[in-house]
Amino acid sequence: SQQGEEDPQALSIQEGENATMNCSYKTSINNLQWYRQNSGRGLVHLILIRSNEREKHSGRLRVTLDTSKKSSSLLITASRAADTASYFCATDGPGGGADGLTFGKGTHLIIQP
Amino acid sequence: EPEVTQTPSHQVTQMGQEVILRCVPISNHLYFYWYRQILGQKVEFLVSFYNNEISEKSEIFDDQFSVERPDGSNFTLKIRSTKLEDSAMYFCASSRTRTNEKLFFGSGTQLSVL
Repeated sequence: SQQGEEDPQALSIQEGENATMNCSYKTSINNLQWYRQNSGRGLVHLILIRSNEREKHSGRLRVTLDTSKKSSSLLITASRAADTASYFCATDGPGGGADGLTFGKGTHLIIQP
Repeated sequence: EPEVTQTPSHQVTQMGQEVILRCVPISNHLYFYWYRQILGQKVEFLVSFYNNEISEKSEIFDDQFSVERPDGSNFTLKIRSTKLEDSAMYFCASSRTRTNEKLFFGSGTQLSVL
């Protein structure tokens, strides 16, 4: 099965800096999504990028997708303390829903004030 | 903003007991899911549900698990005879359009099997 694997596992930066997280997966995909999870809460959808797209922006978020390398990156610009959370990539295969979304283990991001 | 609600937030049960986890998906959503997250591990897909039947299920979703949409609003996950390894955070999710696009997750039910 395809797997989303994020790196780094943990990232600590100063407020105002940019944070970059990476995700790799193993098989072909329909789309790749990024979710955020605050401690003890459910996952919140951030952004979806389709397999035929290379880059997408949403506010301070920028996502890239390289299907040849089977990798994606999430960039959060001008980070804020409220961005402290775990970030997960999730892939959806060409089966159109078979096996649901496959999540990685996540990157735990800490923004130091 | 509409949200997925789950009850209870915490459930403690004895091994071998049946538990029912409840979810109210967003009202105009058509696809419903259960995922679980064992502490420190990945979020794992259990089952998807559409048009009153299971669409897909993972290897985790064995005969001990069942899902039901008993009325127009609730979506439940039943574990018939809980095992210690069922201890996890269980998330319900729903989506409006085709499966797996922009899921809205509930806050989860932390299940502890003793």
